Amino acid sequence: DTGVSQDPRHKITKRGQNVTFRCDPISEHNRLYWYRQTLGQGPEFLTYFQNEAQLEKSRLLSDRFSAERPKGSFSTLEIQRTEQGDSAMYLCASSSHGGNTIYFGEGSWLTVV
Amino acid sequence: ELKVEQNPLFLSMQEGKNYTIYCNYSTTSDRLYWYRQDPGKSLESLFVLLSNGAVKQEGRLMASLDTKARLSTLHITAAVHDLSATYFCAVDPEGGSARQLTFGSGTQLTVLP
Repeated sequence: DTGVSQDPRHKITKRGQNVTFRCDPISEHNRLYWYRQTLGQGPEFLTYFQNEAQLEKSRLLSDRFSAERPKGSFSTLEIQRTEQGDSAMYLCASSSHGGNTIYFGEGSWLTVV
Repeated sequence: ELKVEQNPLFLSMQEGKNYTIYCNYSTTSDRLYWYRQDPGKSLESLFVLLSNGAVKQEGRLMASLDTKARLSTLHITAAVHDLSATYFCAVDPEGGSARQLTFGSGTQLTVLP
């Protein structure tokens, strides 16, 4: 199966540590998105890449959050100096240019203790 | 700011009954999405509605879109237990960068035997 894959699936970290999540999109998809979902809420858009270009990042939650997609394939989302409020599921999604459907990965659960 | 409101937020229904979930949004929209999410899992794409009057059906689920009223509905026919999940609508605002979805809070559906 060549769906969107995310790693790690679960991460427990101490407050103040840095964490990085990886996303591998569906292979022919040039658009990649990061969303965050907290318990009982719908996903919240964070950032978006078309190929390697990050076209929207104003909705990253703070300057502790950053994302990269260096070769237009996989992407990473880094959270520096984690806080308890960062505990959430981080979802990656991808779509093809002009495609209507956005496919989500299984998500990476982050718990900050 | 785009707002997406779903109702009801919680829905318990008996097997075999029909019900409708409503999704209202506050701005013009290019397209509207419906997703299903099982507990602890990612989002499964159900429907993408692209124009006023669009209607799509898959099994016991039917979605429709009225862009003039800024309203989408997800109708459940003869519910079965397997439909128990949380259902989200999401809006892709007209003219926005591709696929920055704004999600509703979700409708948690429980189908009782």
